[in-house]
Amino acid sequence: GAGVSQSPRYKVAKRGQDVALRCDPISGHVSLFWYQQALGQGPEFLTYFQNEAQLDKSGLPSDRFFAERPEGSVSTLKIQRTQQEDSAVYLCASSLYKNQPQHFGDGTRLSIL
Amino acid sequence: GENVEQHPSTLSVQEGDSAVIKCTYSDSASNYFPWYKQELGKGSQLIIDIRSNVGEKKDQRIAVTLNKTAKHFSLHITETQPEDSAVYFCAPARGGRGGADGLTFGKGTHLIIQP
Repeated sequence: GAGVSQSPRYKVAKRGQDVALRCDPISGHVSLFWYQQALGQGPEFLTYFQNEAQLDKSGLPSDRFFAERPEGSVSTLKIQRTQQEDSAVYLCASSLYKNQPQHFGDGTRLSIL
Repeated sequence: GENVEQHPSTLSVQEGDSAVIKCTYSDSASNYFPWYKQELGKGSQLIIDIRSNVGEKKDQRIAVTLNKTAKHFSLHITETQPEDSAVYFCAPARGGRGGADGLTFGKGTHLIIQP
């Protein structure tokens, strides 16, 4: 595709519900990153994939957060039992390989009521 | 880990004037210094970057200067235009252009171009 695509663009959920956010990286990009951006802050790293392997998940804030990329292309970030503090924009980025510039999607704005 | 600070947090300039945003970092091993532009409701877009073996890089109205000794680098925008209004983030990193690790972003500078 032309760029990184994320869906949905907006998601509203009630506290305690599970949510799933999708990222379609640029075709052929090996590396995929997830970031969380709180209002008025810069993006913060959550996790990194190289193909289907999750090489770094040190930024995931709790075990309620889970990410996967089973076939090395599309990735899903899942948040279980959502809390109000999970409200943020979730950004996905991909790069051709690990030492190449990251290209960002427009993000999913998650609001937990 | 990397500690990144940006100044100022908000910058308002008249259209046509220049804007300068400064980023300081703590990790002396950082060797890649990008600037990202984020428009409202969109993801971050890489606008310019520089490696540690270069002191300055220019691309039309945009330039980045690096002072590795003092551990800071700056974004310079000349002849500002309304479409330059956005939030700008620095994200210094080690291990090349993004490396295997996620980027560490500053808190952002909101640039406002006054007509």
